[in-house]
Amino acid sequence: NAGVTQTPKFQVLKTGQSMTLQCAQDMNHEYMSWYRQDPGMGLRLIHYSVGAGITDQGEVPNGYNVSRSTTEDFPLRLLSAAPSQTSVYFCASRQDLRAVHSTDTQYFGPGTRLTVL
Amino acid sequence: LAKTTQPISMDSYEGQEVNITCSHNNIATNDYITWYQQFPSQGPRFIIQGYKTKVTNEVASLFIPADRKSSTLSLPRVSLSDTAVYYCLVVGAGGGNKLTFGTGTQLKVEL
Repeated sequence: NAGVTQTPKFQVLKTGQSMTLQCAQDMNHEYMSWYRQDPGMGLRLIHYSVGAGITDQGEVPNGYNVSRSTTEDFPLRLLSAAPSQTSVYFCASRQDLRAVHSTDTQYFGPGTRLTVL
Repeated sequence: LAKTTQPISMDSYEGQEVNITCSHNNIATNDYITWYQQFPSQGPRFIIQGYKTKVTNEVASLFIPADRKSSTLSLPRVSLSDTAVYYCLVVGAGGGNKLTFGTGTQLKVEL
């Protein structure tokens, strides 16, 4: 298994441009999520999905859109990039939402480092 | 969501045992304590999870007292490669849909 993959690894945008960060997992996980990490900070949840066709907002959703048309893919769209969105973006996935005593193992991708000028 | 508090940084030397304590005074009955490790330029990696007493795996041990208001991650005989940020999280039963990462503890291991 490749696990969680993210593309691109690096991206530079100009203010106002739009782009999509790609995330895919091959573990058949139901739950996927997007986090951003700013320098010296912990991760903050942007959006998450508990299954195909179902998405919800996290802590910092403004300026981002997501969709979940398949179990494998969970793209993150920046509608109009702003310098405040300069960050490292991590995608994560987890399985087994319904098991009460499941180990909470979230698998994180390698991240996309985004700079908005 | 239960808030966690842990030291901002710790220093150690190779071969020593490192204990990182996390306080979570508002932990709920169904919550689990989970630790993640993050190396520079990488995503966090799950280390260990526990509910009470002691849990041990090939990487670390987790000690949780009876009142569960704190927990201690123990890394035996650390090496340079254990230099990383360690996050303590409190997660609801069945796993958390909204993980809350604090700033974590930056562990630096030196020769």
